[in-house]
Amino acid sequence: GESVGLHLPTLSVQEGDNSIINCAYSNSASDYFIWYKQESGKGPQFIIDIRSNMDKRQGQRVTVLLNKTVKHLSLQIAATQPGDSAVYFCAENKDSGAGSYQLTFGKGTKLSVIP
Amino acid sequence: GAGVSQSPSNKVTEKGKDVELRCDPISGHTALYWYRQSLGQGLEFLIYFQGNSAPDKSGLPSDRFSAERTGGSVSTLTIQRTQQEDSAVYLCASSLASGLKQFFGPGTRLTVL
Repeated sequence: GESVGLHLPTLSVQEGDNSIINCAYSNSASDYFIWYKQESGKGPQFIIDIRSNMDKRQGQRVTVLLNKTVKHLSLQIAATQPGDSAVYFCAENKDSGAGSYQLTFGKGTKLSVIP
Repeated sequence: GAGVSQSPSNKVTEKGKDVELRCDPISGHTALYWYRQSLGQGLEFLIYFQGNSAPDKSGLPSDRFSAERTGGSVSTLTIQRTQQEDSAVYLCASSLASGLKQFFGPGTRLTVL
């Protein structure tokens, strides 16, 4: 069925290195994607979003890449810090026009930063 | 307030009891969502409110689950006759309008004994 999934459930990265978290989606009608960070015991925190008319979007230390050809989304974190340790979720929204609102979440990737 | 708030933060109840979970969305946000997150899992959509429109209840897992939103602001999720499989973290989110980025509260951790 239509779903958002992740290639790797866990990722360990040395402090200071760059992290890449991947996400595959199967719904070609999705046109809006979001990355969330969830620390233990907290709700998901918005990181960055991207619409399907874009291939790349940059934020502070984070970059999201969207490859619609292969339905792949990635989150790149530059100079990973211990505070980046968390579970990262990608989510998709198909046709974010009027009346569309549901986000479909992947199961998440746990990022562990090694000091 | 500055963000979405939820109460209580933790709730332990006995099987068969009813529980009410509260969500205060960000001021001015017209859209409000409830999700459920089981241990180590992603988020499962439950219900959606947008302004004065009829809510989308398509994600509610059974008729024991219900939610209301009073005055277009505060929302309450009610679970009747709780079961052990209802144990999860219940997350509330709000957004300025449907289809835009959602901001989440800290969640309520429900444990049904």
